[in-house]
Amino acid sequence: QVQLQESGPGLVKPSQTLSLTCSVSGGSVISGGFYWNWIRQPAGKGLEWIGRIYISGDPDYNPSLKSRVTISMDMSKNQFSLKLTSVTAADTAVYFCAGEGVGPLEGWFDPWGQGTLVTVSS
Amino acid sequence: DIQMTQSPSTLSASVGDRVTITCRASQTINNWLAWYQQKPGKAPKLLINDASTLKSGVPSRFSGSRSETDFSLTISSLRPDDFATYYCQQYHTYPYTFGQGTKLEIK
Repeated sequence: QVQLQESGPGLVKPSQTLSLTCSVSGGSVISGGFYWNWIRQPAGKGLEWIGRIYISGDPDYNPSLKSRVTISMDMSKNQFSLKLTSVTAADTAVYFCAGEGVGPLEGWFDPWGQGTLVTVSS
Repeated sequence: DIQMTQSPSTLSASVGDRVTITCRASQTINNWLAWYQQKPGKAPKLLINDASTLKSGVPSRFSGSRSETDFSLTISSLRPDDFATYYCQQYHTYPYTFGQGTKLEIK
């Protein structure tokens, strides 16, 4: 059973880069069985899909964030990562990583990591 | 982007009640809709995919349906563990988008 765990700094200064990692256990990040996604949720608000990566092809990004987002994969560590540049207070949120199936299982998110709070503040 | 509009935003109900949450898509998404349950401080949990397919292990009191661009999540008889926030999500078109959530609270 695949499990996900986010990690990274909980505090980032405005204009700097937010960097988070999602560690995958119970499966391989290069198995081909999942797209690997990032999703965020500002406090008390709804969910926003950030983007996803697969073992092949280019990542897919939400156009609203595309100019600032990079999602990458580290096969040696069985992890995937999120970088968000030029952050502002509006980027303060709980960030989740999530798996998405492929083929007929594509589209919905399961499993999810527990989430990690990132606050943008000086 | 496809807009997903949930109603109501808040729903007060009692244990044993039958409740329905609605999600309307701004354009056709066929059956490409999922429902999630989220409790405070926790990640969302998948309940239903493809509008009406119950995830294995999810209680049968949960059900989903579709009428054109209107989708419904029904809980047939509320249990104490069901009080949470529920989100719909479309996966017909990028970017994937979520509804704003429906908070189900105890009356």
